[in-house]
Amino acid sequence: AQKVTQAQTEISVVEKEDVTLDCVYETRDTTYYLFWYKQPPSGELVFLIRRNSFDEQNEISGRYSWNFQKSTSSFNFTITASQVVDSAVYFCALSGGSQGGKLIFGQGTELSVKP
Amino acid sequence: NAGVTQTPKFQVLKTGQSMTLQCAQDMNHEYMSWYRQDPGMGLRLIHYSVGAGITDQGEVPNGYNVSRSTTEDFPLRLLSAAPSQTSVYFCASSLDVIYGYTFGSGTRLTVV
Repeated sequence: AQKVTQAQTEISVVEKEDVTLDCVYETRDTTYYLFWYKQPPSGELVFLIRRNSFDEQNEISGRYSWNFQKSTSSFNFTITASQVVDSAVYFCALSGGSQGGKLIFGQGTELSVKP
Repeated sequence: NAGVTQTPKFQVLKTGQSMTLQCAQDMNHEYMSWYRQDPGMGLRLIHYSVGAGITDQGEVPNGYNVSRSTTEDFPLRLLSAAPSQTSVYFCASSLDVIYGYTFGSGTRLTVV
């Protein structure tokens, strides 16, 4: 079965600090897809990034970067120079392969960025 | 293009009552899912559908029923509400799950 683990329940940082959110996944499939979503205090779920299992290149988008390592089954998310607006719950998710239409989420990490 | 629309946004039910949470999408997406969100539990999959007439159970299906008679609609039925079903419910849709899901704004349900 597929599983996503986000071991960090809560993280608190001061503005301008860098912060890394960890995501570890389990799957027996060779083809799968990984995602990060953001849920700000307003409650909506916002898609951030998608990565397939064949693409291990790191991704950078502004202050956000993602490190995908198949060898450790991890897909970590780093925010550089954090801002108060980054305060949210962040979810890692996994789909594809033998799981059909299922998108499985981790427990989420609540990030609090203080001024 | 309204995206994924969930109604109602808030609901209070008494134990034992039944109700239907509505979900509609106008993007012609084949894949639709229902999740519940509880503190510390993340988003847990209740039921999902890969097309009209096709549904399947997720991680926590007990106490919930779904049907998919059209591509656009995917209602979630609570058969006999229990306090344990107090949660925030999200509906989501996708052209294909490999692209991830677009989520509705959620329904906050309280069962007393």
